[in-house]
Amino acid sequence: YELIQPPSVSVSPGQTASISCSADKLGEKYASWYQQKPGQSPILVIYQDTKRPSGIPERFSGSNSGNTATLTISGTQAMDEADYYCQAWHRTTVVFGGGTKLTVL
Amino acid sequence: QLQLQESGPGLVKPSETLSLTCTVSGGSISGSSSYWGWIRQPPGKALEWIGSIHNSGTTYDAPSLRSRVTMSVDTSQNQFSLKLRSMTATDTGIYFCARDLMVQGQEGMDVWGLGTTVTVSS
Repeated sequence: YELIQPPSVSVSPGQTASISCSADKLGEKYASWYQQKPGQSPILVIYQDTKRPSGIPERFSGSNSGNTATLTISGTQAMDEADYYCQAWHRTTVVFGGGTKLTVL
Repeated sequence: QLQLQESGPGLVKPSETLSLTCTVSGGSISGSSSYWGWIRQPPGKALEWIGSIHNSGTTYDAPSLRSRVTMSVDTSQNQFSLKLRSMTATDTGIYFCARDLMVQGQEGMDVWGLGTTVTVSS
């Protein structure tokens, strides 16, 4: 089972960034999203498709339907520049996507 | 506040076995219904799940690594461990431990260690 993400996404400061994660019938599973900055551990930003852990800014939101889960960052800030990974649980295994590098320019 | 810290050798020879330990502080492994996971990241590449273990000893692991992986938990030390056999250069990377809420409830991995770098070289 493979989660497919675009290698890179670019966004201007203050605009909305959308990062997709695609797999067969992904909408029937829960998707999680992680932010990872260079040299740092991943941080959970979205779980169960739409939920934000405590401390994650409201500008991070998620959706999941059909074959695609989407992470949306509204009002993107320079500090949001990072790699983002989606994740799902499939047949007793944890699967990560290949990651998307978000550039804020 | 729950914290996790990985420990182990930074350098492993080809064909040898990697042994890593994750020490949990700020909470008890035995008192938790959580699973505890291992994830790795080759240089410049994506995250890869290795496997997860419950304090009962129940494990789930990645099919691609299953034949080489052993996980264990030591509740008296509040630690869990990973052994990866027959190491090769492709196993080089950063190894993370994390609290895994995916197995039960699919709530993600919410607490991560800082990671430890493992290099496979003679």
